Amino acid sequence: DTGVSQDPRHKITKRGQNVTFRCDPISEHNRLYWYRQTLGQGPEFLTYFQNEAQLEKSRLLSDRFSAERPKGSFSTLEIQRTEQGDSAMYLCASSLGGDSPPYGYTFGSGTRLTVV
Amino acid sequence: RKEVEQDPGPFNVPEGATVAFNCTYSNSASQSFFWYRQDCRKEPKLLMSVYSSGNEDGRFTAQLNRASQYISLLIRDSKLSDSATYLCVVNKGSNYQLIWGAGTKLIIKP
Repeated sequence: DTGVSQDPRHKITKRGQNVTFRCDPISEHNRLYWYRQTLGQGPEFLTYFQNEAQLEKSRLLSDRFSAERPKGSFSTLEIQRTEQGDSAMYLCASSLGGDSPPYGYTFGSGTRLTVV
Repeated sequence: RKEVEQDPGPFNVPEGATVAFNCTYSNSASQSFFWYRQDCRKEPKLLMSVYSSGNEDGRFTAQLNRASQYISLLIRDSKLSDSATYLCVVNKGSNYQLIWGAGTKLIIKP
């Protein structure tokens, strides 16, 4: 499979628990992005990696959120002390970097988080 | 004001009709523009990039007006399988972060 894969597909957790999601990008893509999408809205940017470096974080990414991409390949997104407002679809995408115009991302299928 | 605004929808149109989506963006430094399609409870998938000269892919035509900061998508001879949410997406000028509209839901009826 050469697409972007995310794990798990669904996660139900109790408020206050920590959760971690994983994203495996397309292998030759050096850029990786995390987005969050709630019902009826477009995806909202959370953070972006070029190789292992986290180059930008949205102010949406509170101190309860942390993302890593330790070897420049897969990435993890952790949410600590989850709140009901964290319930959303968390989307990972990857793309090729460089000087070429961006031709859009390839998204994974997402992880749907429900905080109860 | 939102950075990318789309028609709120939903659009209910009969099969075979032509449907047009409109999108405006606020950042004049934006460089790249896309239309994505998202099926219910699925991830967004790239439909087409949008170029200044306009571009066509089969039944789909995308146009960009930089002066008006306006993007459009036209679907001709609509099919039942075109039913989805169409998202207008704009590069923020830094060549990596994309700003998304809320999407317009399209329902094609037989």
